[in-house]
Amino acid sequence: EAGVTQFPSHSVIEKGQTVTLRCDPISGHDNLYWYRRVMGKEIKFLLHFVKESKQDESGMPNNRFLAERTGGTYSTLKVQPAELEDSGVYFCASSQERQLNTEAFFGQGTRLTVV
Amino acid sequence: DQQVKQNSPSLSVQEGRISILNCDYTNSMFDYFLWYKKYPAEGPTFLISISSIKDKNEDGRFTVFLNKSAKHLSLHIVPSQPGDSAVYFCAASAFGRTGGFKTIFGAGTRLFVKA
Repeated sequence: EAGVTQFPSHSVIEKGQTVTLRCDPISGHDNLYWYRRVMGKEIKFLLHFVKESKQDESGMPNNRFLAERTGGTYSTLKVQPAELEDSGVYFCASSQERQLNTEAFFGQGTRLTVV
Repeated sequence: DQQVKQNSPSLSVQEGRISILNCDYTNSMFDYFLWYKKYPAEGPTFLISISSIKDKNEDGRFTVFLNKSAKHLSLHIVPSQPGDSAVYFCAASAFGRTGGFKTIFGAGTRLFVKA
């Protein structure tokens, strides 16, 4: 069974440009999460999809970030326009059950560098 | 405000000895606690968890202890092996205001196990 996959693995863009990150969750997982880790700090929650609906987007930094999950399958996270402070590793995770004790399966992350 | 804190950025242990990784939290509403392990260039993987109604959970060489009154949990690895060298993230889950639950991660502790 394929795990959570993220594309691209690395992205270097200039300030002001647009970048779109993609996440393919494990098949059948209704829950999809986006997280970001900046410079060795905590893995910070961005948002949570249940199928195609945004359950919680309280962690999204600002309106330059747009996440979508059309059809409840893969998800994209677009940053437009990118700023220097957006640099970090963006992780996607998915889980099947909506219970507290359900582990989430993480992708390998996308390392975004804004120069 | 960081709700889950791992105050030790790194820990070095001799092979065969015990590794103790600590985690403190501030939100008494957390109901479930998890530890994730992360190797370089990979996403975090679930290691072990504990419900807030328990004070200990053991799985092979890994044991998690929870002290609710102190809002503190720890992960014990005995005996430590070189393959355990990784970054360990403490995480805590609680139901959010939107009906779903949110998992908050700490900044991680890098464990070095010396052969």
